[in-house]
Amino acid sequence: AQTVTQSQPEMSVQEAETVTLSCTYDTSESNYYLFWYKQPPSRQMILVIRQEAYKQQNATENRFSVNFQKAAKSFSLKISDSQLGDTAMYFCALGSGGYQKVTFGTGTKLQVIP
Amino acid sequence: DAGVIQSPRHEVTEMGQEVTLRCKPISGHNSLFWYRQTMMRGLELLIYFNNNVPIDDSGMPEDRFSAKMPNASFSTLKIQPSEPRDSAVYFCASSLGLVTDTQYFGPGTRLTVL
Repeated sequence: AQTVTQSQPEMSVQEAETVTLSCTYDTSESNYYLFWYKQPPSRQMILVIRQEAYKQQNATENRFSVNFQKAAKSFSLKISDSQLGDTAMYFCALGSGGYQKVTFGTGTKLQVIP
Repeated sequence: DAGVIQSPRHEVTEMGQEVTLRCKPISGHNSLFWYRQTMMRGLELLIYFNNNVPIDDSGMPEDRFSAKMPNASFSTLKIQPSEPRDSAVYFCASSLGLVTDTQYFGPGTRLTVL
């Protein structure tokens, strides 16, 4: 079995500040990928960033970066220079190649305050 | 590309009626996923197809739910008979390959069962 845990149901950050969303996971697979998806109030879910487990280098995508700690099974998302458009629900997800299983966390609702 | 297309966008029906949700994945994508999202239960994976074959249907709640993928460009999720507790937003997503690939989500169908 595999699990994804997001322990922060809600967070807020001031515009232009930096915020970190937490995610921990558990899997016995060696071939897996981790994802952060964003769901704004419009409801459309889109990919923010993707990390391959076998890559030690942390993925970055403009203002978004991850801190991937494989041994600790931790995959946090850092948003720098927060913008009002970052207000959304953020989901951490795990896709395991061997199990052919994908699991989403319960989400963190992020509010960017002007 | 038009992205993942779902229809209808909204559906209101009465308890006991049959409901059919439709999804057209992105052309060339080999995997298709159906999710259900509610406030209480978050985002749940219902079923996952690869090359039109169901790979993981462990999330399908009960026999009232059924999903088909008759070809690479079309899938349906059917609920018969519907119940008020089925009220939710249902998302369809597709990916190029397997669960380790990025998923592209449709806009969702908001289902209300009275």
